[in-house]
Amino acid sequence: DAKTTQPPSMDCAEGRAANLPCNHSTISGNEYVYWYRQIHSQGPQYIIHGLKNNETNEMASLIITEDRKSSTLILPHATLRDTAVYYCIVRASNSGNTPLVFGKGTRLSVIA
Amino acid sequence: NAGVTQTPKFQVLKTGQSMTLQCAQDMNHEYMSWYRQDPGMGLRLIHYSVGAGITDQGEVPNGYNVSRSTTEDFPLRLLSAAPSQTSVYFCASGGLVDTEAFFGQGTRLTVV
Repeated sequence: DAKTTQPPSMDCAEGRAANLPCNHSTISGNEYVYWYRQIHSQGPQYIIHGLKNNETNEMASLIITEDRKSSTLILPHATLRDTAVYYCIVRASNSGNTPLVFGKGTRLSVIA
Repeated sequence: NAGVTQTPKFQVLKTGQSMTLQCAQDMNHEYMSWYRQDPGMGLRLIHYSVGAGITDQGEVPNGYNVSRSTTEDFPLRLLSAAPSQTSVYFCASGGLVDTEAFFGQGTRLTVV
């Protein structure tokens, strides 16, 4: 059963912010939200993760709603190199054996 | 700083042949995993390991064997290759809860 729902594709103009939504309405209190991306058949690359609070790093920001049922990954100034498939994954925080399970993700196309 | 190294990068097998895909990491991670990715699809988990001597099945384990005799290495064995195993295989290291996973660059396998 899919734990997350993402739009299959999105476009974004170069230099603008890319806002990628993810619905995880059945998320449990002990589950993290992770984001990975995959650029043209390379291995996936970690972007960011969070539990309750909003998070920011050098790549992106993660905004999690107060009820934790959805989140948004923000790439503040998208470039052509950000064109990729973006995966939103939820994963329990209280089990070291829980693997990452990928869905189909969102294909982001950054347009010049 | 090699990270995760997968060999070979490309392989063509005949139906019924066996082979081993190699994966090595130099980050001293306990957790390693194998995924396959079919064209236009997301990644599906084959097997994973939480430490030397411990392995477990993922979503699609049939036709594959793994072992974990050292922390560094996690080979994936195809017992009797079938055309349905034509795919890109990714090995990942790390990624236990609240940490990021590092992926190799993939092995592109074609079974004819």
